[in-house]
Amino acid sequence: AQKVTQAQTEISVVEKEDVTLDCVYETRDTTYYLFWYKQPPSGELVFLIRRNSFDEQNEISGRYSWNFQKSTSSFNFTITASQVVDSAVYFCALSDQYNDYKLSFGAGTTVTVRA
Amino acid sequence: DSGVTQTPKHLITATGQRVTLRCSPRSGDLSVYWYQQSLDQGLQFLIQYYNGEERAKGNILERFSAQQFPDLHSELNLSSLELGDSALYFCASSVADGVRALADSPLHFGNGTRLTVT
Repeated sequence: AQKVTQAQTEISVVEKEDVTLDCVYETRDTTYYLFWYKQPPSGELVFLIRRNSFDEQNEISGRYSWNFQKSTSSFNFTITASQVVDSAVYFCALSDQYNDYKLSFGAGTTVTVRA
Repeated sequence: DSGVTQTPKHLITATGQRVTLRCSPRSGDLSVYWYQQSLDQGLQFLIQYYNGEERAKGNILERFSAQQFPDLHSELNLSSLELGDSALYFCASSVADGVRALADSPLHFGNGTRLTVT
């Protein structure tokens, strides 16, 4: 069975601080995809990044960066120099062949950035 | 804007009633997925349609049903509503099915329909 664990329920920081969100996944497949989605207070789900299991290269996109480590089954997400607009719930998700590539989401981490 | 359109944005109804949620996928996408987000269950996959046919079922109740029409829009029907059905219902679309859907593009979600059952 696949499983996504986001151990941090809530994180509160002051603006300009860095925030790292942890994601640990569990899968029996060798081919799988990992995702991060953002859900701001307005409610929509916004896609942030996708990674496949064969690409362990870390990625930086503006203030966002992702650290994918297969050895520890982790796909962590860092927001650098956080801003108030980063306040949202962030979901890590996994998709693998065992579940016919359907998205399975973690419970989410609520990030609050205070001015 | 993800290109996935969901209507209505909000829906308030009473227990025992039936509602229909509508989703228009992004242009060119053949697959439609429905997800439910509730406080106690989180984001759960309900059902998927691909080019008009049911492709996969997740944690969907028997009181719920869906269909995808020839123009590829989809409807999620919720009947005999209970208080516990109050949730945010998301639709997502992708161009293909299975692994090809994710290899070509990630799932893009609509803004959701917030259902409140009173």
